[in-house]
Amino acid sequence: LAKTTQPISMDSYEGQEVNITCSHNNIATNDYITWYQQFPSQGPRFIIQGYKTKVTNEVASLFIPADRKSSTLSLPRVSLSDTAVYYCLVAPSYNTDKLIFGTGTRLQVFP
Amino acid sequence: EAQVTQNPRYLITVTGKKLTVTCSQNMNHEYMSWYRQDPGLGLRQIYYSMNVEVTDKGDVPEGYKVSRKEKRNFPLILESPSPNQTSLYFCASSSETQSSTDTQYFGPGTRLTVL
Repeated sequence: LAKTTQPISMDSYEGQEVNITCSHNNIATNDYITWYQQFPSQGPRFIIQGYKTKVTNEVASLFIPADRKSSTLSLPRVSLSDTAVYYCLVAPSYNTDKLIFGTGTRLQVFP
Repeated sequence: EAQVTQNPRYLITVTGKKLTVTCSQNMNHEYMSWYRQDPGLGLRQIYYSMNVEVTDKGDVPEGYKVSRKEKRNFPLILESPSPNQTSLYFCASSSETQSSTDTQYFGPGTRLTVL
């Protein structure tokens, strides 16, 4: 399984765009990149997934370069409610015996 | 409402006193798993189950047991808890596979303290 590396923490202010980068140098051909968001006192929840190029939904955008060795989660115009831990998960699209979520990035948004 | 539930949400116990944390999902999911979350270590998988009566070890199974007698339930058992098992525990389920493309649905968490 591809190991991921993310910054431990990031700070931002309301209204700013936040980009969180995840490194996954040994990503495999069958691996997808999925991001989960975890609010305090809650379990993680799915926010976005991609394989290559760019994916956008109502919550975030995910940018994946051609070599797929990294990915960037982009949160437009963050608010206080975006304060959370963000996990980058790299795993195959087929059944696997391990899902490694890693340590995540703690995003703190200030007013 | 589709959800994963865990009980209890908070538990304080003493070393050696057996305990069970229950997990139930109402989505008819095949896969269920248990994670523990510790500061600086992120989420680590304890056990997972791909179907009834089928369970397997994750990354940190020592000191834990699980069972999957019914599809919807996946209890976590600590036969003889120790202080190093003080942690935040999450149960999760997914529809058909344990993969990147099959969304993991997490429960609300159980905060366990072992004195």
